[in-house]
Amino acid sequence: AQSVSQHNHHVILSEAASLELGCNYSYGGTVNLFWYVQYPGQHLQLLLKYFSGDPLVKGIKGFEAEFIKSKFSFNLRKPSVQWSDTAEYFCAVNSGGSNYKLTFGKGTLLTVNP
Amino acid sequence: DAGVTQSPTHLIKTRGQQVTLRCSPKSGHDTVSWYQQALGQGPQFIFQYYEEEERQRGNFPDRFSGHQFPNYSSELNVNALLLGDSALYLCASSLLGTGGTDTQYFGPGTRLTVL
Repeated sequence: AQSVSQHNHHVILSEAASLELGCNYSYGGTVNLFWYVQYPGQHLQLLLKYFSGDPLVKGIKGFEAEFIKSKFSFNLRKPSVQWSDTAEYFCAVNSGGSNYKLTFGKGTLLTVNP
Repeated sequence: DAGVTQSPTHLIKTRGQQVTLRCSPKSGHDTVSWYQQALGQGPQFIFQYYEEEERQRGNFPDRFSGHQFPNYSSELNVNALLLGDSALYLCASSLLGTGGTDTQYFGPGTRLTVL
């Protein structure tokens, strides 16, 4: 069975600091990888996704993630965070096709102080 | 273009009761997935409907059942409610058929509280 681990439960940063949120998954086969974001009072939105090809994926709002197959990791990065990035971030994985069930991590709450 | 909509927004039930939650997919989508998000946890997959049939199912008991209608909207039914069923229930839609998308779009959720 697939599983996803997000090691940071709560991350607190000041504006302009760099961000890296960890995500590791366990599954031996081919996977699709996603980062979703949930801003306060809003629904889950897709930040970025990786299916194949270039392991460095760029998403919306300046976010990027790197797929490292040997480490089973898909860490999310942003060089300079803003107060508006305060949200909960979820890493997710599926296999067997892009419409197959998503397995989510427990999420990381990011608080950015102005 | 309407996104995924869910109703009701909030619901309070007592143990043993039954509940029905509703979801309308994003325009043009044909597949609906349901997830349960307990407090402090990530969403957990319940099941997925396509062409009015359950296509995949997660590790949830038979008390959780669903339905998809010809217009692609869907219902989630939970019988014999337990306190542990209190959670945010999320609906996600996608397009599985010809020209399928590769992204599941989520609705705002229904907050269910079981007393």
